[in-house]
Amino acid sequence: KQEVTQIPAALSVPEGENLVLNCSFTDSAIYNLQWFRQDPGKGLTSLLLIQSSQREQTSGRLNASLDKSSGRSTLYIAASQPGDSATYLCAVSSGANSKLTFGKGITLSVRP
Amino acid sequence: GAVVSQHPSRVICKSGTSVKIECRSLDFQATTMFWYRQFPKQSLMLMATSNEGSKATYEQGVEKDKFLINHASLTLSTLTVTSAHPEDSSFYICSARVQGVSEQYFGPGTRLTVT
Repeated sequence: KQEVTQIPAALSVPEGENLVLNCSFTDSAIYNLQWFRQDPGKGLTSLLLIQSSQREQTSGRLNASLDKSSGRSTLYIAASQPGDSATYLCAVSSGANSKLTFGKGITLSVRP
Repeated sequence: GAVVSQHPSRVICKSGTSVKIECRSLDFQATTMFWYRQFPKQSLMLMATSNEGSKATYEQGVEKDKFLINHASLTLSTLTVTSAHPEDSSFYICSARVQGVSEQYFGPGTRLTVT
């Protein structure tokens, strides 16, 4: 059974800092991995999707990497801003038509 | 593109009543829709997967007679919480997927409070 872990559960950083959010998964036979952002009381916004054959994806100040063999992914946020404060969830899928397995998320607070 | 809506966004109901939540794909046809439940500070837990025109597939531990799912069209799925109890209070989120595309598009969620 796939398990996704995100540690720490919460993180607080000053504005402008570059930071890395970690995600690990137990079964390396994944199809893809997604990073999502969730604001309090809101749904999920997809940030980046990495296919199993890819090593990384970039979008603006965000860069996600994937090391499938070691069961790890990182989300790098450059020059963090208070508006980046949210919960960041990673999720993995084992197939094109398979369900997503989510981690518990990391709640990020960026202090002005 | 790829917008998913949910209605209502918030609902308060009395214990023992039933509540229906709608999930719509606004600009695409969703062959598959998913229903998740999220408790405070917890991750999303998949409740069921529904394919248009067929019965939903429920995850282990989810009562299919309590959480009725209907996916009658390619743009609409509904989740009905029957005989709701306070422990059913949660944040319910749906997602939708196009056939042949693995990415899921999520709705904004529905906050259910059972008093």
